[in-house]
Amino acid sequence: DAGVIQSPRHEVTEMGQEVTLRCKPISGHNSLFWYRQTMMRGLELLIYFNNNVPIDDSGMPEDRFSAKMPNASFSTLKIQPSEPRDSAVYFCASTTGQESYEQYFGPGTRLTVT
Amino acid sequence: DAKTTQPNSMESNEEEPVHLPCNHSTISGTDYIHWYRQLPSQGPEYVIHGLTSNVNNRMASLAIAEDRKSSTLILHRATLRDAAVYYCILSRRYGGTASKLTFGTGTRLQVTL
Repeated sequence: DAGVIQSPRHEVTEMGQEVTLRCKPISGHNSLFWYRQTMMRGLELLIYFNNNVPIDDSGMPEDRFSAKMPNASFSTLKIQPSEPRDSAVYFCASTTGQESYEQYFGPGTRLTVT
Repeated sequence: DAKTTQPNSMESNEEEPVHLPCNHSTISGTDYIHWYRQLPSQGPEYVIHGLTSNVNNRMASLAIAEDRKSSTLILHRATLRDAAVYYCILSRRYGGTASKLTFGTGTRLQVTL
């Protein structure tokens, strides 16, 4: 398996623009997590899904952030409008959600908002 | 979620054992102890987890205190590739769903020749 796939790997955009980050979980995994990592705040959980249903979105910073999981093999994290403080590395992770305790992380998307 | 306390940084010589401590004095009976590590410019990587008993796998060993208020991740022979930030995380499972992980600041391990 190719592991968790994230795209793009790097994104540079201007303040006010819409940004969409994409994630393909490992086939057969039914739980998906979005994290954000910055120097100031460390690694934070934004939202996670179980069987495509959002379970906990308490980490989503504000209404500018939204996440969807239309099917078991694809998820998006959208920021609209983007702001410089959204600059971070965004990680997606997946797990089987049953007996497995191991989350598999993707390589991350480095977002820079100027 | 119960919190964990780890030293900010540790150093080790290559090929020597490393003991990374973690305190979790407010742990509850249903909290699992997880360890992840993050190598430079990569996403976190699962290392090991346990509940009450000590655990061993190909990467490391996890020693859990009898009262469960602390644990130690043991790397038996550190290599330069083990230089990373190591996170100790408590997580509670709800039914059959996946565990939610709350990362702290972790311990930055430096390995020198």
